[in-house]
Amino acid sequence: KAGVTQTPRYLIKTRGQQVTLSCSPISGHRSVSWYQQTPGQGLQFLFEYFSETQRNKGNFPGRFSGRQFSNSRSEMNVSTLELGDSALYLCASSLDPSSQSSYEQYFGPGTRLTVT
Amino acid sequence: AQSVTQLGSHVSVSEGALVLLRCNYSSSVPPYLFWYVQYPNQGLQLLLKYTSAATLVKGINGFEAEFKKSETSFHLTKPSAHMSDAAEYFCAVKKYSSASKIIFGSGTRLSIRP
Repeated sequence: KAGVTQTPRYLIKTRGQQVTLSCSPISGHRSVSWYQQTPGQGLQFLFEYFSETQRNKGNFPGRFSGRQFSNSRSEMNVSTLELGDSALYLCASSLDPSSQSSYEQYFGPGTRLTVT
Repeated sequence: AQSVTQLGSHVSVSEGALVLLRCNYSSSVPPYLFWYVQYPNQGLQLLLKYTSAATLVKGINGFEAEFKKSETSFHLTKPSAHMSDAAEYFCAVKKYSSASKIIFGSGTRLSIRP
């Protein structure tokens, strides 16, 4: 079974631009979560989508948004990029968050975004 | 509110020595606890998880962790370190709920000396 895939793997943008990152979950997984990883702030939760609905959101400005499609693939968008948005963006998928005893999140390799 | 604290941002051990990475959690309800490993330029890989079954949890690559409620700890150990264990390790907590949000610790970089 293929793992979580993220595209692109690397991205360079300039301040003020916008960017869209893509995540394809493991087949059959309906939940997709996004995390931002930086040396200063560590791993921070951005948001979670389940069955095309945002179920949970972290403490990030409205410039960060996402969506999920009917095939569970998810996109994350950052508008008006700032230098501080440079980070590794990780996507994780899980089968069903309500299945507590077997709960696991599987992470993709991440998209390295550099804002200049 | 839930949180995890990892003691020591960097741990260095000799090859063959015991690995001990410390994690303390704070949660008002019984938590789910995880240890993840991250190799350079890669995503996170789940090492092991505690979901209120056995308190001693065995994971992949010879790692294990013990849930101690009285100490609110979930330390990660491995009896004998291998060079391939060099990586960043993250302790994480999830609330018992239908949401997928996981709170991560700040990470511990493990170095292995030959």
